[in-house]
Amino acid sequence: AQSVAQPEDQVNVAEGNPLTVKCTYSVSGNPYLFWYVQYPNRGLQFLLKYITGDNLVKGSYGFEAEFNKSQTSFHLKKPSALVSDSALYFCAVRDKGGSQGNLIFGKGTKLSVKP
Amino acid sequence: EAGVAQSPRYKIIEKRQSVAFWCNPISGHATLYWYQQILGQGPKLLIQFQNNGVVDDSQLPKDRFSAERLKGVDSTLKIQPAKLEDSAVYLCASSPRTGMNTEAFFGQGTRLTVV
Repeated sequence: AQSVAQPEDQVNVAEGNPLTVKCTYSVSGNPYLFWYVQYPNRGLQFLLKYITGDNLVKGSYGFEAEFNKSQTSFHLKKPSALVSDSALYFCAVRDKGGSQGNLIFGKGTKLSVKP
Repeated sequence: EAGVAQSPRYKIIEKRQSVAFWCNPISGHATLYWYQQILGQGPKLLIQFQNNGVVDDSQLPKDRFSAERLKGVDSTLKIQPAKLEDSAVYLCASSPRTGMNTEAFFGQGTRLTVV
């Protein structure tokens, strides 16, 4: 079965510093990986996805993610964090089973960016 | 482009009562999902529709939950009778089609509190 793991419940960074939110995956075959962000009292917003091709994927709001097949990881990164980036971040993988593409989410990582 | 619309935003009910949630997906989106997000966890799929047909309802507690998508557009999710453990945010999402490389677009969710 497909799954993703987010090993950190919370990540704290200072504004202006680079940030990394970690995600590892377990899939059979090629993975289809996604990152979403959730602001308080809001739904999930799509940030970026990896389907195939370049290992470095660029997305919304200056975020990017690096796909590493050997480490089965898909870490979310941003060179310079903003206070407004503080939110809950979810990594997800497409289920290749009978659901024809259901998203399977990690438990989420709370990012806190301090001024 | 209008996003996924959900109502109500908040609902408080007593256990054993019934409740219904409504979702209107992005126009033209064939695939519609209902997810349950319990506090501190990632969203979990309840049911997936392709047009007005059910693709996956394997995780829907069918003794109390039901969902329909008449005419392949908007959808309702019902809980009857509600239990305390049903307290969660119910997220509706849609995508243009079923496919491994297609992101889903989420509504703001309905926060249900069962007391």
